[in-house]
This record gives sequence, C-alpha cells and structure tokens, in this order.
Amino acid sequence: GENVEQHPSTLSVQEGDSAVIKCTYSDSASNYFPWYKQELGKGPQLIIDIRSNVGEKKDQRIAVTLNKTAKHFSLHITETQPEDSAVYFCAATKAAGNKLTFGGGTRVLVKP
Amino acid sequence: GAVVSQHPSRVICKSGTSVKIECRSLDFQATTMFWYRQFPKQSLMLMATSNEGSKATYEQGVEKDKFLINHASLTLSTLTVTSAHPEDSSFYICSAMDKYGYTFGSGTRLTVV
Repeated sequence: GENVEQHPSTLSVQEGDSAVIKCTYSDSASNYFPWYKQELGKGPQLIIDIRSNVGEKKDQRIAVTLNKTAKHFSLHITETQPEDSAVYFCAATKAAGNKLTFGGGTRVLVKP
Repeated sequence: GAVVSQHPSRVICKSGTSVKIECRSLDFQATTMFWYRQFPKQSLMLMATSNEGSKATYEQGVEKDKFLINHASLTLSTLTVTSAHPEDSSFYICSAMDKYGYTFGSGTRLTVV
C-alpha cells in the first residue's frame, strides 16, 4: 500500500519567515495530495491540495509543489504568523473516494 | 463549503460500557465516510471505511466487533465503541467525501475510566 513520509517532525520559525514541509510517497499511482492543518483538540482542516496534473498551486501565503518523477510534494508557507502555529499533515491517495494515507505530521511553531 | 458535524465532542465513560459517536454530513450526501483514531502527538490512523447501505471495510488490526460502524443513510454514519476499556481512550475523527475532496469532523475525545 501507499506510504507517506513527512519531514521535519517539528519546525520552529520566526514570525515573518517562511516554512517548508516536505513529503514523499511510495505509490506512483497516487494522484491527489491534500494538506491539512490541525489545531489542538480539533479535526484537520484542508488548507490546500494538488492533483497530479499540475506542478504547483498557490493560495495567498500558501503554496504546494509536486514532483511526480521524484514522488515528493512540499508545502510552503510565506510570511508566517503566530496563528499559523499548528500541526500540519500531508496525505496522498490514488483517486477520489479512496482512503487517504497521512504523513506523520509536522508541528509548526511561529515565534512572535 | 462542505460541513461534517461530529458529536459528541467529548465523552467520558466507565470501563465496560459502550459509546456511540455520530458523524453527519450537513449540506451534502456522503456515500463514503471514514473513521480515524488519533493518539496524542501522532498521525491519523484509518480504522474503517463506511459505505452507505453496506458493511464497513475495516483496516488490518481493527476489531470490527469492538468498533461497530453503521452507515444507514447518506448523511449519517455512527461508530460505536463496545465494551470500552482505558486503552480505547483516544481522539476519534470522521471524514466524508464530497465533490471537492475530504472534509473532516471536529473529532470526539473519548476517555474511558
């Protein structure tokens, strides 16, 4: 089955700096890659996703890049703010309706 | 956007009793829902996939007789933890598929004492 690895497990950045989280996946058939933000005691919230037919997607301060050949994708957060502090999860799946496989999570701390 | 409502948000039960958690899709129909368990500082682990009108598909190592899943309608799936024990204490999260992707509920913190 699919295996998703996520790095780093923790990330501390100064407010205003950029944060980058990287994930690799094992199944070349995977074609949908969402990123979720989870705050303490809450369920994951989708922040951005990318499908295999594009290499990059942006939404304001958040961007995701996908390298299908290398089987890795990354989340980029620019101009970080304290409210960006949370746990971020990457995930992968072959197709809509299939189960998601999650990475191990990255705990991001933005220091004011 | 799509909304998934999960109840209760917190529940404390005595060892040996059963607890039911509800997951509702509020503004869309969900033929498929997923149930996850999350231990502190860990990732989400899929327990089972719930399909409306049919039996759930459980992941390897998940006891189907202990974690009963019912998906009787296109907007409601329930997870019942039977004969709960302290080791079942965890954060349980449901997810539903809509036309845009996967939407998650707010989670249920189960504490078994």
